[in-house]
Amino acid sequence: DAKTTQPPSMDCAEGRAANLPCNHSTISGNEYVYWYRQIHSQGPQYIIHGLKNNETNEMASLIITEDRKSSTLILPHATLRDTAVYYCIVRGWGLTGGGNKLTFGTGTQLKVEL
Amino acid sequence: NAGVTQTPKFQVLKTGQSMTLQCAQDMNHNSMYWYRQDPGMGLRLIYYSASEGTTDKGEVPNGYNVSRLNKREFSLRLESAAPSQTSVYFCASSVDRVGTDTQYFGPGTRLTVL
Repeated sequence: DAKTTQPPSMDCAEGRAANLPCNHSTISGNEYVYWYRQIHSQGPQYIIHGLKNNETNEMASLIITEDRKSSTLILPHATLRDTAVYYCIVRGWGLTGGGNKLTFGTGTQLKVEL
Repeated sequence: NAGVTQTPKFQVLKTGQSMTLQCAQDMNHNSMYWYRQDPGMGLRLIYYSASEGTTDKGEVPNGYNVSRLNKREFSLRLESAAPSQTSVYFCASSVDRVGTDTQYFGPGTRLTVL
């Protein structure tokens, strides 16, 4: 699976959009970009994933560049409850079971402040 | 629908003691996983199971054994606990369907080995 690079920490004012970048310059054609977050040592929580098109759900939007070498997770109106570590993970499809394992880096610590 | 449950939530062991961490999911998922997370680190895969009756090693399997008891349950056993196994242990499950493979995580077991 391709390696990802994320900033170690970011701050965001409550109510503003939080834009979390991720670089994955070695991503290959069949690899998806996944985002998870972990709030204060709870179990990680799935946010969103995509292959090449931009994606949006009730939690966030995922913008993937045309060359797929980087992506941005957008939380449109961040709240204090969005304070968490955000993990960007690139994973290939086509493998079952353990091939679908997630390789977690150290992620980005997002701190949302008043 | 409880999702992924883990027991116990906390455990303190002495070096050399054994114990089994229990995990169950009620989402009819095929794949199940055990991860560990050390302070300030991302999650690392210990073992996984692609289906009932099958298990495979992950990134850090030494010192652990697993059992996929049935489709719902996946246990992790420490035969002779060591201080290096002090960690938070997360169980996860996924449906393992092409194109979408969201992993759902349990709340974790916090293990201290003295």
